[in-house]
Amino acid sequence: DGGITQSPKYLFRKEGQNVTLSCEQNLNHDAMYWYRQDPGQGLRLIYYSQIVNDFQKGDIAEGYSVSREKKESFPLTVTSAQKNPTAFYLCASSMTASPVYGYTFGSGTRLTVV
Amino acid sequence: GNSVTQMEGPVTLSEEAFLTINCTYTATGYPSLFWYVQYPGEGLQLLLKATKADDKGSNKGFEATYRKETTSFHLEKGSVQVSDSAVYFCALSKDFGNEKLTFGTGTRLTIIP
Repeated sequence: DGGITQSPKYLFRKEGQNVTLSCEQNLNHDAMYWYRQDPGQGLRLIYYSQIVNDFQKGDIAEGYSVSREKKESFPLTVTSAQKNPTAFYLCASSMTASPVYGYTFGSGTRLTVV
Repeated sequence: GNSVTQMEGPVTLSEEAFLTINCTYTATGYPSLFWYVQYPGEGLQLLLKATKADDKGSNKGFEATYRKETTSFHLEKGSVQVSDSAVYFCALSKDFGNEKLTFGTGTRLTIIP
């Protein structure tokens, strides 16, 4: 079955560490997105990529980095510069850069700073 | 710019009650409209969508009608179940340019037996 796989499901980070969240899709979708969700809040866009080897900052990109070397993969690195990284992270994809058909989401990664 | 406004939650209903979650939007032209559902600890799942005015999206007993005259896409269900407890997000997208999906803030729904 086609879909988006996020791993790990739970991740613990020590202060000052960088961590990388994985997002892989086998839907042959062109565009991919990373969102952050905090308790009781909506979705905030971190980064998005509409084509391989290209990506743009979203609304809250500071302290995060991404790469898009392959169509199927869009990993997110949470750097030590991100002061409050504890959150639920969601990866999504859409068929084209113009998401008239909506997004497909992964099941999320919950990141906790310890 | 585009925006989506949802009714504030949380919403608590008894099982078999009628559900309405209000959603209104601001956008130029003719956006596509969506409802997503998020169960505890999970990602978002597409619940239903409508791509043009007067279209009705439906799935799992939920319905929403695209009303351009009132710029609304209210979610309804005639008889809710405990398993419908989740967070519901309204969203819109435009069909040209490099537009991204615009989400509402979500409405938490709890159904009590």
